[in-house]
Amino acid sequence: KNQVEQSPQSLIILEGKNCTLQCNYTVSPFSNLRWYKQDTGRGPVSLTIMTFSENTKSNGRYTATLDADTKQSSLHITASQLSDSASYICVVSDRGSTLGRLYFGRGTQLTVWP
Amino acid sequence: EADIYQTPRYLVIGTGKKITLECSQTMGHDKMYWYQQDPGMELHLIHYSYGVNSTEKGDLSSESTVSRIRTEHFPLTLESARPSHTSQYLCASSEPYGTGRLYEQYFGPGTRLTVT
Repeated sequence: KNQVEQSPQSLIILEGKNCTLQCNYTVSPFSNLRWYKQDTGRGPVSLTIMTFSENTKSNGRYTATLDADTKQSSLHITASQLSDSASYICVVSDRGSTLGRLYFGRGTQLTVWP
Repeated sequence: EADIYQTPRYLVIGTGKKITLECSQTMGHDKMYWYQQDPGMELHLIHYSYGVNSTEKGDLSSESTVSRIRTEHFPLTLESARPSHTSQYLCASSEPYGTGRLYEQYFGPGTRLTVT
């Protein structure tokens, strides 16, 4: 069964600190892995997309890593800001159909305190 | 910022009413999607479309229906709303295959539906 598991479920950190969010997946055949940021009451916004051949990708203070062998990914946030408070969703796409079906994790709810 | 819009943003309605959630995009994308999301849970695909006059049901069974008469417009309709339909509904669209963008999906802001 294709699944995406994220940990931790929630996380509280102080402004300025770093944090790392984890994602494990069983989706096969694998096409790509995405990290989205979803603010409360809003739609998800893409942060990074990585294919099988990529093992790291950065977008400002966000750095995602991918280990396709162990089927694990992480999202590292550097020097957190209050505006980073959001849900971070790991999404894996398969290449078994022309739809490019997406499998969503439940997200990690990050709260940044001043 | 993606050019995909949803209205209304919030809707509170009584049981048995017919509702239509609007979704439109100005990016010319052929593929469009509807997702349902409950608090703290993952997004579930309920409908998708490959283009005009194409609609398919997604992974999660839904009593809603969709239509795709124009490329830019993908409305979702509930003929008779029930409290079990209370949820957030997210619309998305994606670029066509071959653009090198790996089916990047752009999401609208969502509609928060409450059925009393």
